[in-house]
Amino acid sequence: AQSVTQLGSHVSVSEGALVLLRCNYSSSVPPYLFWYVQYPNQGLQLLLKYTTGATLVKGINGFEAEFKKSETSFHLTKPSAHMSDAAEYFCAVIGAGSYQLTFGKGTKLSVIP
Amino acid sequence: GAGVSQSPSNKVTEKGKDVELRCDPISGHTALYWYRQSLGQGLEFLIYFQGNSAPDKSGLPSDRFSAERTGGSVSTLTIQRTQQEDSAVYLCASSLGLESDTQYFGPGTRLTVL
Repeated sequence: AQSVTQLGSHVSVSEGALVLLRCNYSSSVPPYLFWYVQYPNQGLQLLLKYTTGATLVKGINGFEAEFKKSETSFHLTKPSAHMSDAAEYFCAVIGAGSYQLTFGKGTKLSVIP
Repeated sequence: GAGVSQSPSNKVTEKGKDVELRCDPISGHTALYWYRQSLGQGLEFLIYFQGNSAPDKSGLPSDRFSAERTGGSVSTLTIQRTQQEDSAVYLCASSLGLESDTQYFGPGTRLTVL
């Protein structure tokens, strides 16, 4: 069975600072890995995903993530935080042979002006 | 085109009543998923449809929960004899049908059981 661990339920950064949200997974290899963002009272929106190929994945709104098999990690980064990035971020995995997303507990990102 | 839509957006019901939640997937998407989001449990998978059949119902928490999909499109999640612990946001998603395909989520139905 898959599992996802997101370190830090709440992360605060200053506007313009680096955003780093951590995600580690436990899954059969190769997994499919996803980052979703959820704004208040809205559904989930895909930021980026890793399926195969290049391990550095670029997504929307300037976010990117790197799949590191040796570390079983898929951390999300953005060089410079913007106020509009304040939201909750979920890392998720689909293991081989499965169709269901297994989500981490989420990390709420606050951006301080 | 239009995204995934869900109705109602909010539902308040009394304990013991039955409720039906509806999901309209993106046109052409063969796969449809139901998830539940609650404060205590986070985001949990409930059921997955490929066409009209449900090969994976492993996430349904009890036999009070059922779901169907007709015409390869609209899906209904039914909760019978609702309990307070059923209070949550129920999210529907759809995709083109492969494991690696992006699942697109609807805005959810917030269910409150009094």
